[in-house]
Amino acid sequence: DGGITQSPKYLFRKEGQNVTLSCEQNLNHDAMYWYRQDPGQGLRLIYYSQIVNDFQKGDIAEGYSVSREKKESFPLTVTSAQKNPTAFYLCATTPDRGQPQHFGDGTRLSIL
Amino acid sequence: GENVEQHPSTLSVQEGDSAVIKCTYSDSASNYFPWYKQELGKGPQLIIDIRSNVGEKKDQRIAVTLNKTAKHFSLHITETQPEDSAVYFCAASKRAAGNKLTFGGGTRVLVKP
Repeated sequence: DGGITQSPKYLFRKEGQNVTLSCEQNLNHDAMYWYRQDPGQGLRLIYYSQIVNDFQKGDIAEGYSVSREKKESFPLTVTSAQKNPTAFYLCATTPDRGQPQHFGDGTRLSIL
Repeated sequence: GENVEQHPSTLSVQEGDSAVIKCTYSDSASNYFPWYKQELGKGPQLIIDIRSNVGEKKDQRIAVTLNKTAKHFSLHITETQPEDSAVYFCAASKRAAGNKLTFGGGTRVLVKP
């Protein structure tokens, strides 16, 4: 099946711990995006990558880091510097700048 | 940067009635406006989109209209059904900004049988 796979579906973080959220796609799309969604709110862009080995900060990048070593993969690390990490994290992809973004089913991160 | 406002935040309609959600945007250079439907615990799904060279687009019971002069666009759902109940998001982007989407705050739609 072609698609975007986010894992795990649920993740718990202890204080002071870094955690990494996975986003894998087999759509051969060039661009990948990470969004954060808080309850009852819209999506806010964390980081995006338009090509392998390149990525840019979005509107709320502080406390997060990413890498894009392979076209298929765009992992997001939530660092201990992110003081309010509890949220629903969504990954999206698009084949190029002019095409719609398609989303995975998200990872819900909570603090223990 | 771009700012997208979405209204109303909640909308309750009787099955069979129409639902209208409105969004305004601030950046006149924005040229692409998608609408997403999000069900509980899932990622948003694209339901319709419109580009700035078009004023209206329809797909079965769903239509989107765009007024570039006023910088607003609307989603119209006709003959609503219970399965239309979900959260709907509008968004705006421009090619020059790398296709980054700026989202509205969402509208929770409840269709009562």
